[in-house]
Amino acid sequence: EDQVTQSPEALRLQEGESSSLNCSYTVSGLRGLFWYRQDPGKGPEFLFTLYSAGEEKEKERLKATLTKKESFLHITAPKPEDSATYLCAVQRETSGSRLTFGEGTQLTVNP
Amino acid sequence: KAGVTQTPRYLIKTRGQQVTLSCSPISGHRSVSWYQQTPGQGLQFLFEYFSETQRNKGNFPGRFSGRQFSNSRSEMNVSTLELGDSALYLCASSLGPGQGLSGNTIYFGEGSWLTVV
Repeated sequence: EDQVTQSPEALRLQEGESSSLNCSYTVSGLRGLFWYRQDPGKGPEFLFTLYSAGEEKEKERLKATLTKKESFLHITAPKPEDSATYLCAVQRETSGSRLTFGEGTQLTVNP
Repeated sequence: KAGVTQTPRYLIKTRGQQVTLSCSPISGHRSVSWYQQTPGQGLQFLFEYFSETQRNKGNFPGRFSGRQFSNSRSEMNVSTLELGDSALYLCASSLGPGQGLSGNTIYFGEGSWLTVV
């Protein structure tokens, strides 16, 4: 069974204080690892998909990296508007569009 | 272009009733998936449809069902509602198989909030 574990569960940062979120996974035949951002009361917003170990993708203050066992979401100089829950999910090669999600990391950035 | 559209946004139902939720995928997307999100269980996969056929199914009881129409729009139905069915139901769409990595991006709608009383 596929497993995704995210840490920490919650993270409080000061504006400008960089940090990283972790996503550890166990999956038989990884096709892709997805990162989403979710604001309260809204659906997940797509951020990145990573497909192979060593791959990196960037978007504004966010950078996602992937190894064979985990992924990191690095947040550089965060702003209060980056406050949200960040979700990690894995997609298996043989499971179509089915995603298995972690519990998420709730990020709060204080001004 | 328009994103994934879900209706209704909010609804309240009584135990024992049934409910139908609707999802219109992004134009051109042929794969539609449904998820249930609750504070205790997180996001759980319900089922996936492609070309009007169910491709995958999660571990939910038979009270949860879905279908997809020829225009790729999808509906899910929950019969004999229980209090524990109260959740945010999310629909996601993608281009579908055979579209390469760029077609693998999966987008979510805003969800339908179901409260069972």
